Amino acid sequence: QVQLVQSGAEVKKPGASVKVSCKASGYTFTAYYIHWMRQAPGQRLEWMGWINPNSGGTIYAQKFQGRVTMTRDTSISTVYMELSRLRSDDTAVYYCARGPASGDFDIWGQGTLVTVSS
Amino acid sequence: ESVLTQTPGTLSLSPGERATLSCRASQSVSGSYLAWYQQKPGQAPRLLIYGASTRATGIPDRFSGSGSGTDFTLTISRLEPEDFAVYYCQQYGRPYTYTFGQGTKLEIK
Repeated sequence: QVQLVQSGAEVKKPGASVKVSCKASGYTFTAYYIHWMRQAPGQRLEWMGWINPNSGGTIYAQKFQGRVTMTRDTSISTVYMELSRLRSDDTAVYYCARGPASGDFDIWGQGTLVTVSS
Repeated sequence: ESVLTQTPGTLSLSPGERATLSCRASQSVSGSYLAWYQQKPGQAPRLLIYGASTRATGIPDRFSGSGSGTDFTLTISRLEPEDFAVYYCQQYGRPYTYTFGQGTKLEIK
């Protein structure tokens, strides 16, 4: 079936970087954009950016520009989201989701908890 | 950037009742770009409605969406026990802005 499977939980210190993976299966990997969102405790979902798995092109939310990098490896149908210079307020569940460049997200990964703590 | 405000924050109803959830945008939203999601504890969001009124694949017909401009509604005609969850609206605005509401928690009365 169509699914996105993310890597496991991470604990990082302030100032470090984290890299989360999202492996796609059950559909043509290059046919859909992959978006990344995050959800901090008690907060609304926040969109971070997208990657076009076909071209590798990316768009990042202004808030994260300079700190986030999204890449893909088409040989293993996997996209990655790396967030650098972590702060305590980056503690959140990070989700990847499939969707067009404009619109909604129809398939979601299970989420990856990233905890930033000294 | 358009802000989405959902009301009520919490809705307490019984199984079998009708639920009406509201989502208001600070700027007009193209009807093609308003979606609704359901999220249960410890799970990822699940797409229910896209294009303001089109049910996603596999979504029961007791879920319906309506609205245009700045006011949108998600209606659950007869609540089933599995419908008690948090619901979010989401909009896409050009260029490349995607925002979510703060959510409505639907709880069992």
